[in-house]
Amino acid sequence: AQKVTQAQTEISVVEKEDVTLDCVYETRDTTYYLFWYKQPPSGELVFLIRRNSFDEQNEISGRYSWNFQKSTSSFNFTITASQVVDSAVYFCALETSGSRLTFGEGTQLTVNP
Amino acid sequence: NAGVMQNPRHLVRRRGQEARLRCSPMKGHSHVYWYRQLPEEGLKFMVYLQKENIIDESGMPKERFSAEFPKEGPSILRIQQVVRGDSAAYFCASSPCCARVWDTQYFGPGTRLTVL
Repeated sequence: AQKVTQAQTEISVVEKEDVTLDCVYETRDTTYYLFWYKQPPSGELVFLIRRNSFDEQNEISGRYSWNFQKSTSSFNFTITASQVVDSAVYFCALETSGSRLTFGEGTQLTVNP
Repeated sequence: NAGVMQNPRHLVRRRGQEARLRCSPMKGHSHVYWYRQLPEEGLKFMVYLQKENIIDESGMPKERFSAEFPKEGPSILRIQQVVRGDSAAYFCASSPCCARVWDTQYFGPGTRLTVL
């Protein structure tokens, strides 16, 4: 069975702080994809990144960066110099051969001015 | 290129009524997925469909829920005799192809169902 754990239910930071959202996954499949989605207060789901299980290179996109470590089954997401507009619920998700996405419970990030 | 479209965005039903949720995938996408997000929870997979075929419905409740994706027109998620516990946000996602190609699923804005 697949499982995604986001242990941090809520995180609150002050603007310009760096913040890391943790994601730990479980799967017996050797081929899989990992995702991060953002859900702002308006409710839609915004795709942020997809990473396959064979590519452990870290990725940076502007203020966002992702650290994939297969040895610890983690796919953590860091926002550098956070902004108020980053306030949202962030979901980590896992896709294996069944094509369905298994989501974590989400982390509510609040960035205060 | 329009994204995934869902309508209505908000739907209010009384207990016992039927709810019909529609999803139009992105242009060129032939695979549709439905997920449900209960209040304060993450998204849970419900069903995966291709045109005229249900590929995986293992996440669907056994009763009252059904889904279809006809040859023409949007995918429909139908909930019969709704109960208060059905109140949730229902998200549709689409992808161009199949599991073997590992395409990203793009989500619609969701339909928020409230059962009174």
